[in-house]
Amino acid sequence: EAQVTQNPRYLITVTGKKLTVTCSQNMNHEYMSWYRQDPGLGLRQIYYSMNVEVTDKGDVPEGYKVSRKEKRNFPLILESPSPNQTSLYFCASSLWGLAGHEQYFGPGTRLTVT
Amino acid sequence: TQLLEQSPQFLSIQEGENLTVYCNSSSVFSSLQWYRQEPGEGPVLLVTVVTGGEVKKLKRLTFQFGDARKDSSLHITAAQPGDTGLYLCAGEGGGSNYKLTFGKGTLLTVNP
Repeated sequence: EAQVTQNPRYLITVTGKKLTVTCSQNMNHEYMSWYRQDPGLGLRQIYYSMNVEVTDKGDVPEGYKVSRKEKRNFPLILESPSPNQTSLYFCASSLWGLAGHEQYFGPGTRLTVT
Repeated sequence: TQLLEQSPQFLSIQEGENLTVYCNSSSVFSSLQWYRQEPGEGPVLLVTVVTGGEVKKLKRLTFQFGDARKDSSLHITAAQPGDTGLYLCAGEGGGSNYKLTFGKGTLLTVNP
């Protein structure tokens, strides 16, 4: 089954404790992306990757890091989480770019930073 | 930064009514996508429009891309309770800009 998986689905952590949210896709997609979704602000793109070792900033990259060492994986790293990073996070992938290509979203990771 | 304004933000209607959701911007987008999101899940793509003036139909849903590729609309005919959800539009910058900008969404509730 074609899918994007994220782990963990729920995470409660404390300020400053480094964490990684994993994302994996089994569709051999070139393009992967991370979003955060907040009430009243909608979905905002954090980082995206066009291919292995190629990443670029989205609209809200501050406080986040990503890496793309393998095509299927695109982990999101919070080196020193803060309460303002409490949010619902989605990973997504698509075949190539976006025009005409469906972007598949993972199930989401709900992160709470206290 | 490209912005997409969606309206209305909330919409509650009775089963069988028609509705239109709007997605507007002052920026030109190379393509625009509509998604539907249900509680606790990720968005699911409904349609992608690429050409100015393009109209696409998906059963009772009709999507239109503005001639200038700055706006789009989603029209639902004879809404059903299963149409309930958060509808999101998203625009791609185009060229070497692969950022995807989302509108804040329209939360639709269709009451039986």
